[in-house]
Amino acid sequence: GDSVTQMEGPVTLSEEAFLTINCTYTATGYPSLFWYVQYPGEGLQLLLKATKADDKGSNKGFEATYRKETTSFHLEKGSVQVSDSAVYFCALSGLTGGGNKLTFGTGTQLKVEL
Amino acid sequence: GAVVSQHPSRVICKSGTSVKIECRSLDFQATTMFWYRQFPKQSLMLMATSNEGSKATYEQGVEKDKFLINHASLTLSTLTVTSAHPEDSSFYICSAPGRSNTQYFGPGTRLTVL
Repeated sequence: GDSVTQMEGPVTLSEEAFLTINCTYTATGYPSLFWYVQYPGEGLQLLLKATKADDKGSNKGFEATYRKETTSFHLEKGSVQVSDSAVYFCALSGLTGGGNKLTFGTGTQLKVEL
Repeated sequence: GAVVSQHPSRVICKSGTSVKIECRSLDFQATTMFWYRQFPKQSLMLMATSNEGSKATYEQGVEKDKFLINHASLTLSTLTVTSAHPEDSSFYICSAPGRSNTQYFGPGTRLTVL
């Protein structure tokens, strides 16, 4: 079945540091890939997505590129802020459930300090 | 953007009682909604797919008689945890699909069973 593997946290960075959160996936066919963010006390929000190979999703300074050859969708940001502290989930939407069924990674907690 | 609400946000109940959680799509219709369970420091686990006008589809290992799902209308799905026990304590999250394969998540309901 489909699965998503992402790096364990917590990740602690200083403000303005470079961020990478690794995500790899296993799926049949060509899934859509997503990064969701969960701020403290809030629900999950879509951060960015990519629907086909070599697509780059971007939002709020975050980027991730759909790499089919390495089955990866790593999240990056050039300069993190304290307000980026949250839990980040990598997810894929496969062929089942009409393409709406999401499979999540375990989440990576990011802490950004001054 | 699309909004999904959940009620209540927190609930504490005694062992053996039943608890109903509501999930509403506030500004769009959803023929399908998803119910997830999130354990501390773990990922979201899909429990079931709620279908308007038909029975819910449960994931393997989820007890359908314990977690009753009713998709009452195009904007409302409910999850009832029957005869709750402490091991049912968790964070329950619903989502509804929007355009372009995007899921909109509710803020979650924290259930504590004493």
